[in-house]
Amino acid sequence: DQQVKQNSPSLSVQEGRISILNCDYTNSMFDYFLWYKKYPAEGPTFLISISSIKDKNEDGRFTVFLNKSAKHLSLHIVPSQPGDSAVYFCAAREKDSGNTPLVFGKGTRLSVIA
Amino acid sequence: DAGVTQSPTHLIKTRGQQVTLRCSPKSGHDTVSWYQQALGQGPQFIFQYYEEEERQRGNFPDRFSGHQFPNYSSELNVNALLLGDSALYLCASSFFRDRRATNEKLFFGSGTQLSVL
Repeated sequence: DQQVKQNSPSLSVQEGRISILNCDYTNSMFDYFLWYKKYPAEGPTFLISISSIKDKNEDGRFTVFLNKSAKHLSLHIVPSQPGDSAVYFCAAREKDSGNTPLVFGKGTRLSVIA
Repeated sequence: DAGVTQSPTHLIKTRGQQVTLRCSPKSGHDTVSWYQQALGQGPQFIFQYYEEEERQRGNFPDRFSGHQFPNYSSELNVNALLLGDSALYLCASSFFRDRRATNEKLFFGSGTQLSVL
């Protein structure tokens, strides 16, 4: 049973346009959400995160939006660049009562076309 | 500053064999987590080590075991390999104290690609 779902396996966007990657979750105990980016032959690298007490977090071209009532978050990349082409993983964790692991979605492959 | 390093990068084994994967955490980190990423899937948590003890475990059978050494490096062992164990095995490190703020960001290595034939 997938607790973190990324329903779009792939997304193609033109350079300069906005990329919107979506993520849904089912576990109401999740209170911290992260996005990781992964290039081929490399490990995932942290991109941006958001706590459940916020509904938006921005870092340069990257913005994450959280809608807790809908159990939905999205990552916006504006403007998209060819170097953004990678697989993006949405991840979540429960309130830290010890060592709670990250739960990942299956990922969305973003292709930014020049 | 060295990041998370894993060895080997690729490995081919046959069913029934045993395998050991190795990980050195990022400098200054004391906690190591292991994840399995099957083809087309996201990373799935196997277990986590801190102070040389397994602190938490995901839904993996006992064939998967690990170890952490005093220098914080770690090993993942898989016994009686199955075809379904073919995957990318990722090691991630962190600093235990950071998790108190719940904003812990894991630093991942490039992984070991294991193929079981």
